[in-house]
Amino acid sequence: QVQLVQSGAEVKKPGASVKVSCKASGYTFTSYGISWVRQAPGQGLEWMGWISAYNGNTNYAQKLQGRVTMTTDTSTSTAYMELRSLRSDDTAVYYCAKPARARGHYFDYWGQGTLVTVSS
Amino acid sequence: DIQMTQSPSSLSASVGDRVTITCRASQGISNYLAWYQQKPGKVPKLLIYAASTLQSGVPSRFSGSGSGTDFTLTISSLQPEDVATYYCQKYNSAPFTFGPGTKVDIK
Repeated sequence: QVQLVQSGAEVKKPGASVKVSCKASGYTFTSYGISWVRQAPGQGLEWMGWISAYNGNTNYAQKLQGRVTMTTDTSTSTAYMELRSLRSDDTAVYYCAKPARARGHYFDYWGQGTLVTVSS
Repeated sequence: DIQMTQSPSSLSASVGDRVTITCRASQGISNYLAWYQQKPGKVPKLLIYAASTLQSGVPSRFSGSGSGTDFTLTISSLQPEDVATYYCQKYNSAPFTFGPGTKVDIK
């Protein structure tokens, strides 16, 4: 069965960086991309960006351009999301999500979420 | 970028009621629209894609319609387990923006 297992919660100081991992299993990793979605406390879902696990192509949300980098390691079927220059409003639960179809960016499987807290 | 709006932002209805949530795109997105349900403290769950196609395993009381800029999610007979926040999402092209959500609870 498809599973996306994310790394554990993080507490970071403003200005620091965080790297969240998402290990996939139960499907052919390189046949799909991975999107990252975050949710601030009590707020809605925000799409952050997407990476193709096939060729590493990326597409980032404009507001995060320059601060976010998404990568994959196909040898371990793991996707990574690094966010730099953290601010308090980056405090959120970060999810990885698998698209339901190789060329469709709606999501049928989600990781369990990783809480990133940015606080001095 | 295309903006997504939802109405209402919240609603309260009785068990058995028919509930309708609206999602509007600022530009046409054909039928590239999905709906998700997120229960408190849980991961979002895909309900509908391609505006009206029910995801496998989703109860048939959920249905979707629309095309272009205006879409609806309907729960034909609200059940207690449907208490959740519902999000629409466009996926015709990046950014794959979500709507702000509609919170549904039981009256």
